[in-house]
This record gives sequence, structure tokens and C-alpha cells, in this order.
Amino acid sequence: EIVLTQSPATLSLSPGERATLSCRASQSVSTSLGWYQQKPGQAPRLLIYDSSNRATGIPARFSGSGSGTDFTLTISSLEPEDFAVYYCQQRGNWPRTFGPGTKVDIK
Amino acid sequence: EVQLVESGGTLIQPGGSLRLSCAASGFTFSNSWMTWVRQAPGKGLEWVACIKEDGSQQYYVDSVKGRFTISRDNAKNSLDLQMNSLRAEDTAMYYCARGGSYGYSWGQGTLVTVST
Repeated sequence: EIVLTQSPATLSLSPGERATLSCRASQSVSTSLGWYQQKPGQAPRLLIYDSSNRATGIPARFSGSGSGTDFTLTISSLEPEDFAVYYCQQRGNWPRTFGPGTKVDIK
Repeated sequence: EVQLVESGGTLIQPGGSLRLSCAASGFTFSNSWMTWVRQAPGKGLEWVACIKEDGSQQYYVDSVKGRFTISRDNAKNSLDLQMNSLRAEDTAMYYCARGGSYGYSWGQGTLVTVST
């Protein structure tokens, strides 16, 4: 099973600031990694698939990068609605696995 | 518009069985892999099981292998999760999602509580 680790666990930032979230895989997943956003009481929403492709309707301030074992989700300028928990997930192997999440909260 | 509506969650005793369902609409269900993901209260996401478009392949996380069975009825646009020998650690919100690689669309979930 591929284990994903995310850092930091919590990121405290102000609206307008840039957020950089990391995800590391225990073995290479090539570019087979996605990112989700989850707000309290809501289902997750896919933001990025295959490392760098924005899902339908996702604003351009969200971008992803990386390959192999190291990946980054960047939010270029935080909007009030972006404060949430973010999860990475790999599709490189079965079973699919999620990282433990990074909470982005308001400083 | 894609819609996924889960049902069947309830309070159940350890060792019991439960069947969850997901009704799909707004897309061609028979052309889509489908997935169940769960989330224990206050915890992160856990991928549970996945089934191919025609039902010919299924994949499971180790913790549910031999206890859970994922199935689908393409004529009814329906996805099921049969859960047997339930344990306290199966307590979670269960989401169905469209896709086998990623969850492209999600339902709002159904809550399963395993407790005496």
C-alpha cells in the first residue's frame, strides 16, 4: 500500500496570502496524484487530478505540481472560501490511498 | 447535473450486517467506475472499495476484504455496498463517488454507526 504524508498538518494564513501544501508518497506514483478540498459538513471536492490538471470549474488560483514522490498544491491568493481541509490521493496503485490532510485556517 | 444520493446508513450493533445504496443520475452510469470512500467522525478520508463499469473487477482496502462487497446494477443506475461483520471501527460517513481513479463527483454521504 502506498502511504501518503502531508505537511504541514495545519497552515495558518490570512486572506490574500499564498498557500503551499505538500504531499509525499512512500513510493513513486509518477503523476498519478490528485487533490481534494473538504469544508465542514460537506463532501470532498476534486480540485486537481494527475498532479497538475484542474478539475472542471476549479479556479485558476489552484495549481498542482510534482511527480514521483513529491507533490505540491499551491493556492496563489487565498479567498475566504478556501479555508478548509485539503487531501491528496494517489491512483498509481491499488488500493487507492489518501493523505491525512492539511487544514488551512485563518490566521 | 451529476447527482449521487446515498442511503441505508443507521445505528447497528457490532457483528451486524448493513447494505448501503447509491442512486446515480446525470451521467452515463454504465460507463463509469464507481467508488465508496468513508470518513470516521473527525478523521480523514479512507478509500474503501471500487468497481469497474461492468462489475467485472472490484478492489478493496485490506481492512474490509472478506467483509464488504461492492456491487452495481447498471439497469437501475445503482451502486451498493454490502457490509457484514461490522465493527466499531467501521463507524463513519460513507460516500459514493463517480470514478475509479479519482472521485470526480460525490454524494453527501450516509452515516453508519456501529455500537451497542
